[in-house]
Amino acid sequence: ETGVTQSPTHLIKTRGQQVTLRCSSQSGHNTVSWYQQALGQGPQFIFQYYREEENGRGNFPPRFSGLQFPNYSSELNVNALELDDSALYLCASRNDRFGAEAFFGQGTRLTVV
Amino acid sequence: AQRVTQPEKLLSVFKGAPVELKCNYSYSGSPELFWYVQYSRQRLQLLLRHISRESIKGFTADLNKGETSFHLKKPFAQEEDSAMYYCALSGSGGSYIPTFGRGTSLIVHP
Repeated sequence: ETGVTQSPTHLIKTRGQQVTLRCSSQSGHNTVSWYQQALGQGPQFIFQYYREEENGRGNFPPRFSGLQFPNYSSELNVNALELDDSALYLCASRNDRFGAEAFFGQGTRLTVV
Repeated sequence: AQRVTQPEKLLSVFKGAPVELKCNYSYSGSPELFWYVQYSRQRLQLLLRHISRESIKGFTADLNKGETSFHLKKPFAQEEDSAMYYCALSGSGGSYIPTFGRGTSLIVHP
C-alpha cells in the first residue's frame, strides 16, 4: 500500500465549470506531480510541486493550476472546463532524497459533459 | 524535445514464451529510463529503472544509447505478468519529470 490517496474517484462536471481534485501524499514526500491520462494514452505531465513551489510544468494552459500544502496534501484546479479535459488525473509523490521512484494514487476519473 | 515511442499497443503471448516490450526514445542529453507497470485494478507503479541495472520479477531492460532503445525483456512469461506497461524517460539533473509512452498491453495466455 503506497499511501497516496486521491479524491474523489469519479466526477462529472459541465463544460465551463471549475473543478478541484485532491491528493494526499505519502508522509514525508516533499514532491508531488500531477498527470493527465486520456483513454488509450500514457500519463502526460501537468506540473510538479516541491516544498509548496511549482518547479516544473508540462504543456498545459494556465487554467490548470495547483497547490501543495505543508501537510503533504495537494490540489489540482482546472478552470473553464472543456470536453477534452475528460480524462483520468493521477498524482504521484516522492521524496527527492530517494530519487525517482514516485508512488501513484489510484486516480480521479473526470468526465466533462 | 523528449519523446518515448512504444510501437506495440498490444502484445499477446503464451505462458513460458519470451517477451520483449519495445521502447524507443528521443532525447538530446543523457536520459534516465524507467518502466512502469499497471496490473488490473491496481495503481501505476515503478517496475525498474536503467541505472539500477536490476532484474525485477524476472524482467530486465538494457539502455542502448546507439539505438536509443530501452526494451523490456523476460525469458519466460507468466500469466501474472499480464498488465499495462509504460516506458518513461526523464532528463538528467534530478528533476525526474517523466515523459511516458502510450503503453503496451501485455496479455499472457495459459
